[in-house]
Amino acid sequence: GAVVSQHPSWVICKSGTSVKIECRSLDFQATTMFWYRQFPKQSLMLMATSNEGSKATYEQGVEKDKFLINHASLTLSTLTVTSAHPEDSSFYICSARQGGGNYGYTFGSGTRLTVV
Amino acid sequence: KQEVTQIPAALSVPEGENLVLNCSFTDSAIYNLQWFRQDPGKGLTSLLLIQSSQREQTSGRLNASLDKSSGRSTLYIAASQPGDSATYLCAANSGGGADGLTFGKGTHLIIQP
Repeated sequence: GAVVSQHPSWVICKSGTSVKIECRSLDFQATTMFWYRQFPKQSLMLMATSNEGSKATYEQGVEKDKFLINHASLTLSTLTVTSAHPEDSSFYICSARQGGGNYGYTFGSGTRLTVV
Repeated sequence: KQEVTQIPAALSVPEGENLVLNCSFTDSAIYNLQWFRQDPGKGLTSLLLIQSSQREQTSGRLNASLDKSSGRSTLYIAASQPGDSATYLCAANSGGGADGLTFGKGTHLIIQP
C-alpha cells in the first residue's frame, strides 16, 4: 500500500530559528501533497497544497512567507517554518494520494514542533 | 465551504458493546469520505474510504455508511475492544485530486476493559 514518510517526528527549536520538515512518498509518485496543522485537542486544518514543479497554494490565513513549501520532485515535499515563534508550536502532518479521485489519502506520522 | 461535524465529541463504553459514531457534512458534492483513526501524538491511520457512488464499506468489525443526500456518514464498530480506544476522524474530499480533506473535530473513544 501507499506509504508516506515524514521526518523528523519531533523537533525542539529556539525562537527565531527555522525548521524544515520533510514528507516523502515512498512507493508512489505524488504531484500533489498536502500540509496540515493540528493544535492540541483540535482537528486537522489544511495549511497548503504542495504542487510539484510550481508554487504551493496556501489556505486563507496561512502566511506563505512564514511557511515555505518546496516540492522539487515527485516524491518529496518540504515545509520550512521560518523565524519560528512559540505560537507555531503544533503538530504538522503531511499527506499524499497514490492516484486519482477514487483513491484515499495517506498520511505521514506527523512532526511535533516545539518552539522555546 | 465544506464543514464537517462529528458527534459525539467523546464516548466511553464498556468492552464488547457495539457503537456508532456520527459525521455530517454541509456540501453533498463530495468525491469520497474517509474515516481515520488517530492515536495520541501519532499520525492518521486510514480505516475506510467510501466513494460518492457507494453506500457503505466494511473492514472487519468496522462498517461505514454514506448518505450523500442527507450529508451524513456513520462509522459502526462491532464488539468493541480496549484497543479500539483512539480518536476517530471523519474527512470529506470535496475537490478530487486538487484539494485536501476537510476534517471534523473527531470523536474521542474510550473502551473500558
